Amino acid sequence: GAVVSQHPSWVICKSGTSVKIECRSLDFQATTMFWYRQFPKQSLMLMATSNEGSKATYEQGVEKDKFLINHASLTLSTLTVTSAHPEDSSFYICSARGENTEAFFGQGTRLTVV
Amino acid sequence: GENVEQHPSTLSVQEGDSAVIKCTYSDSASNYFPWYKQELGKRPQLIIDIRSNVGEKKDQRIAVTLNKTAKHFSLHITETQPEDSAVYFCAASIGRMIKAAGNKLTFGGGTRVLVKP
Repeated sequence: GAVVSQHPSWVICKSGTSVKIECRSLDFQATTMFWYRQFPKQSLMLMATSNEGSKATYEQGVEKDKFLINHASLTLSTLTVTSAHPEDSSFYICSARGENTEAFFGQGTRLTVV
Repeated sequence: GENVEQHPSTLSVQEGDSAVIKCTYSDSASNYFPWYKQELGKRPQLIIDIRSNVGEKKDQRIAVTLNKTAKHFSLHITETQPEDSAVYFCAASIGRMIKAAGNKLTFGGGTRVLVKP
């Protein structure tokens, strides 16, 4: 299947700093990318949907000023967690879809805010 | 918006037995239903999917059934093996049949399957 690469796979940051997570589709053009958050032993909660070249659509309850999403090209989307706090610690995972394709997931990023 | 319920949340089966996971969805406009398997610390992997114009689909030991009228779909795993142990997620997507890009997936809560040898 297609490959979606997410980087970094884990990150530890200090409270108040910002963290950027990258999601790349390596062998297909991702017209849409999705960002999820997953708490331990829980399901994937969609945070936002981004289409290349346009603003992301955020799910209800997700602060767009805190979770900045950029989808500048058909192969790259970034999620920046701004002014991170311990409650932002979680597993963040992206997925990408091309035209008429299934969704392929990145390997996820485990964020720990100390 | 769409709401997907998944049951059971945990399922323990003896190796060789069958496992069944059930999901219901709320929006009759949903037309794409994938199932993902997620092993501990790893990304979800698509194992099978079904579209609303099909009632059943099978791939070796895995099968999925869809009842559009009742708005529920199920995953069936036969002859379970220890490597089937993982968390399984169902999902539903609302959107046009042809152009699937851009249609977000709503996930069920997940089922933790343990296959005992």
